[in-house]
Amino acid sequence: GDSVTQMEGPVTLSEEAFLTINCTYTATGYPSLFWYVQYPGEGLQLLLKATKADDKGSNKGFEATYRKETTSFHLEKGSVQVSDSAVYFCALPSYNTDKLIFGTGTRLQVFP
Amino acid sequence: SAVISQKPSRDICQRGTSLTIQCQVDSQVTMMFWYRQQPGQSLTLIATANQGSEATYESGFVIDKFPISRPNLTFSTLTVSNMSPEDSSIYLCSVRTRPPVWDEQFFGPGTRLTVL
Repeated sequence: GDSVTQMEGPVTLSEEAFLTINCTYTATGYPSLFWYVQYPGEGLQLLLKATKADDKGSNKGFEATYRKETTSFHLEKGSVQVSDSAVYFCALPSYNTDKLIFGTGTRLQVFP
Repeated sequence: SAVISQKPSRDICQRGTSLTIQCQVDSQVTMMFWYRQQPGQSLTLIATANQGSEATYESGFVIDKFPISRPNLTFSTLTVSNMSPEDSSIYLCSVRTRPPVWDEQFFGPGTRLTVL
């Protein structure tokens, strides 16, 4: 079945460091792919999305490219800030259902 | 977009009691969902709340434990019944405004439940 695999956290970085959070997926067809972010004490927010192969989603300095060849959708940011500290979830819609399938989440901690 | 509010934002409950969580959306939405997020875990879909009919539950979740109502297109409730400490989680309401536009899925702030 459809699934999402994320790298385990926590990821601990200093401010202005480069960030990569890995996400790979197994899916029927070519679904849209999403990154959600959950700041401490809050619900989930859609961070970015890509709807087809080779699309690049971007928002708030974060980017992710839909790679069909490697079935990946890695999240990157060139220079992280303390305010980026949060849990990041990769997700995709399950084939032919209304379900959104989430990865396990990766906690990012950025220190000044 | 959709703005979602949940009540209560958090609660501490005793074992064996029940808690009803409310979800209010600022616009009419086609689909509403309830998720559970156990401590340090990802999100698990509990059920889809259907307007005017019984909710559709995912494997492992039953109506007697998690009764759901959806009387209209902007409101839903989830009840956690006969609670045990294992029910301690964050419960999230989520809505989709225009299927099949998948990016139009929004989440509420969550209800943080602790069961003693």
